[in-house]
Amino acid sequence: DTGVSQNPRHKITKRGQNVTFRCDPISEHNRLYWYRQTLGQGPEFLTYFQNEAQLEKSRLLSDRFSAERPKGSFSTLEIQRTEQGDSAMYLCASSSIKGGDTEAFFGQGTRLTVV
Amino acid sequence: RKEVEQDPGPFNVPEGATVAFNCTYSNSASQSFFWYRQDCRKEPKLLMSVYSSGNEDGRFTAQLNRASQYISLLIRDSKLSDSATYLCVVNMPGYSTLTFGKGTMLLVSP
Repeated sequence: DTGVSQNPRHKITKRGQNVTFRCDPISEHNRLYWYRQTLGQGPEFLTYFQNEAQLEKSRLLSDRFSAERPKGSFSTLEIQRTEQGDSAMYLCASSSIKGGDTEAFFGQGTRLTVV
Repeated sequence: RKEVEQDPGPFNVPEGATVAFNCTYSNSASQSFFWYRQDCRKEPKLLMSVYSSGNEDGRFTAQLNRASQYISLLIRDSKLSDSATYLCVVNMPGYSTLTFGKGTMLLVSP
């Protein structure tokens, strides 16, 4: 499968625990995005990497959230001290800087439930 | 005013009907526009880009009106399989990220 891969697909955690999600983008894509989506809403931007550099972060990204892309390939999103309000689908997308349009390809997401 | 606004619907139409969705965006300098489709509990997938001159892909037609800051999606001869949420997406100037609307739900019935 050459698409965007996210792991795990589902995560249930107790409030206060830390969680980490992984995203493997399409191999030739140098741009990687994290979005969060809750029921009835569109995806909300969290952060963006170009290669290994984190270039943009949303105001939504509190200090409990951190993302890395150490070698410009896969990325991790960590949430520390999870809260019930963190329950959502976390989507990763990748795109290439080549070409005119910025078509982003999404992974299937990690559904987080904080209990 | 929200950056990208859509009527959430749902739009309930019979098979074979023609249906249109509009989306407005707040930043007049926005450069790129897209329609994504999202099936229930699935990831968004690109349906089509929206070009200034308008573009068509089979039963789907997208148009951009820069003066009024809206884009539209027209679906002709609706199929049951068109039932999904349609997300309006805008690339804001100076940013590499895509800003999504909340989506418009379409339900096509037999």
